[in-house]
Amino acid sequence: EAQVTQNPRYLITVTGKKLTVTCSQNMNHEYMSWYRQDPGLGLRQIYYSMNVEVTDKGDVPEGYKVSRKEKRNFPLILESPSPNQTSLYFCASSSPTGGLNEQFFGPGTRLTVL
Amino acid sequence: GQQLNQSPQSMFIQEGEDVSMNCTSSSIFNTWLWYKQEPGEGPVLLIALYKAGELTSNGRLTAQFGITRKDSFLNISASIPSDVGIYFCAGRNTNAGKSTFGDGTTLTVKP
Repeated sequence: EAQVTQNPRYLITVTGKKLTVTCSQNMNHEYMSWYRQDPGLGLRQIYYSMNVEVTDKGDVPEGYKVSRKEKRNFPLILESPSPNQTSLYFCASSSPTGGLNEQFFGPGTRLTVL
Repeated sequence: GQQLNQSPQSMFIQEGEDVSMNCTSSSIFNTWLWYKQEPGEGPVLLIALYKAGELTSNGRLTAQFGITRKDSFLNISASIPSDVGIYFCAGRNTNAGKSTFGDGTTLTVKP
C-alpha cells in the first residue's frame, strides 16, 4: 500500500531535549516536505526536499533541521525543543512526474513540549 | 513570504445546501490546489488547477482558478454529512517543492 508513515504519532517531551520525528514514504517520490499545523494558522511549511541531499527552508524553519540521505526518508530534528514548537506535524511526499501536485500526507505527529 | 487569505473561517450549513469558499493571495500562483482534512488525518488533495480561468469539477466539487492568478474558489453542491472537515487552499509556483497553504475553512453539515 502506497503511504507516508511518521513516527512517533504522539510525543510529550521537555524543553531542550533533542528529538527526531521520522518520515518514510514507499512511493519513490522525489519531493518531501514537513509542515506544522496550529489552530487558526493552517499548514505552514517548515522544510522541503526536492531530492536526496537537496533541502531548502520553507516559511517557518527556525528551530528545526532536516536531512535527506536516502530518497525514502526525511527526518525532522528538533535540537533543542521549546514550548512554542508544540504543534501537529505532517510529512508529505510527491513526485514531479505524473501527479505533480498530488502531495500525499502522513497521519501526523502530535508533539507537546513542556 | 506569500500569504493566502481563506474565507470564511467556518461554516455551519444544513444538509443539501450549497457551499462556497475562496482564497485570495497578495501575489500570483501558477497552481492552485484544494485539500480536505478529516479529523485525525492528513490533508487529501481534492482538485488541482493549472491555468488561469480554469474551471474543474470532481463530483459535487467545483473549483476555479481566478483570471488574475491571485485567487481561487471552491464550491460544494448539495452538501452531505460526510463533507464535514477542514478545507484548505494551497498555492504553488515554479518551485514545485514550495507550497503555501491558507488557514482553512471548517465545514459543519447538520443533517
